[in-house]
Amino acid sequence: DAMVIQNPRYQVTQFGKPVTLSCSQTLNHNVMYWYQQKSSQAPKLLFHYYDKDFNNEADTPDNFQSRRPNTSFCFLDIRSPGLGDAAMYLCATSRVELAGRYEQYFGPGTRLTVT
Amino acid sequence: QKEVEQNSGPLSVPEGAIASLNCTYSDRGSQSFFWYRQYSGKSPELIMFIYSNGDKEDGRFTAQLNKASQYVSLLIRDSQPSDSATYLCAVSLSYNFNKFYFGSGTKLNVKP
Repeated sequence: DAMVIQNPRYQVTQFGKPVTLSCSQTLNHNVMYWYQQKSSQAPKLLFHYYDKDFNNEADTPDNFQSRRPNTSFCFLDIRSPGLGDAAMYLCATSRVELAGRYEQYFGPGTRLTVT
Repeated sequence: QKEVEQNSGPLSVPEGAIASLNCTYSDRGSQSFFWYRQYSGKSPELIMFIYSNGDKEDGRFTAQLNKASQYVSLLIRDSQPSDSATYLCAVSLSYNFNKFYFGSGTKLNVKP
């Protein structure tokens, strides 16, 4: 089945220790997103790739970076995690077409704990 | 500002009843509307999308869109305890269709 896969599902890191989260998709979607979601809050968009074009949200901390080496994979790097970065990180994909009507699908998420 | 508003709930309904979830949005450029179900500790799951005014039905779910009044709703018929979750409303814009704007979600409790 076509899907969005995230690894690892659970990640524990130490304060200040870099961490990388990965996302892959078999949907052949051209847009990939990274969201941060904290308890009882809406998903907060960090950035997205439209094909190879990187789009950073204005309020995304510099501590967060992303890479998309090919259509199928996308990575989220947190250079120096702080306690406030503990959250669920969600990868999502979408196929943007000229008609502008499309849907967004989420992966299972990575729960990040910072100790 | 792209605001999507939802009542946080919890909305409690008895098993077998109709659950009605509402969402309002501020940007008249919104053109696509989505409902996600999110169980505690899990990721959002797309359950409905609607692009045109009116109703769209899929099984026990009906999405209703009224662009003039800027609201979208989700009806769940014959509610089951397994429907207990948080329901997120999301919209995308005609002039910035790469991005999705989410509400904070409504927590639904279906009591046996």
